[in-house]
Amino acid sequence: EDQVTQSPEALRLQEGESSSLNCSYTVSGLRGLFWYRQDPGKGPEFLFTLYSAGEEKEKERLKATLTKKESFLHITAPKPEDSATYLCAVQATDSWGKLQFGAGTQVVVTP
Amino acid sequence: NAGVTQTPKFQVLKTGQSMTLQCAQDMNHEYMSWYRQDPGMGLRLIHYSVGAGITDQGEVPNGYNVSRSTTEDFPLRLLSAAPSQTSVYFCASSRTRAGPRNTEAFFGQGTRLTVV
Repeated sequence: EDQVTQSPEALRLQEGESSSLNCSYTVSGLRGLFWYRQDPGKGPEFLFTLYSAGEEKEKERLKATLTKKESFLHITAPKPEDSATYLCAVQATDSWGKLQFGAGTQVVVTP
Repeated sequence: NAGVTQTPKFQVLKTGQSMTLQCAQDMNHEYMSWYRQDPGMGLRLIHYSVGAGITDQGEVPNGYNVSRSTTEDFPLRLLSAAPSQTSVYFCASSRTRAGPRNTEAFFGQGTRLTVV
């Protein structure tokens, strides 16, 4: 059974204090690993897709990396507007379109 | 440039009532799905569709019904609402015929449902 575990559950950062979120996964065969951002009362907003171990993607202060067992979302010099819940999801090669989500990491960045 | 549109945004139902959550997308995506989000549990797949006329069950399908008569619309029906169905519901759509890549899902803004 596909499983996704995110840690920590919550993270409180000072503005400018860099940190990393972890997404550990087990899947029969990985088609893709997805990172989403979710603001309160909103739907998940797509950030990145990673397809193979060693791949990295960047967007502003966010950088996602992928190994065979986990993915990291690095937040560099965060700003208060980076406060959100970050969701990780995997799509298996035999589960076209279906996403298995982790429970998310709630990030709060204070000025 | 609407993307995925869900209605209503909020709904309160009494136990035993039925209702339909609406979902429409304007991106010509083949794949559509419904998730529910509960505190501490992440999003869980209820039902999905790979194209008009084709639907299948996800992880938590009991108490819900779907149909897909057009590419654009994918309504979710609650047959007889129960308090356990209190949740936030999200509709999503994605491409499938673009190949193994570019299959990221795009989500609607959600419907917050309370069953009393």
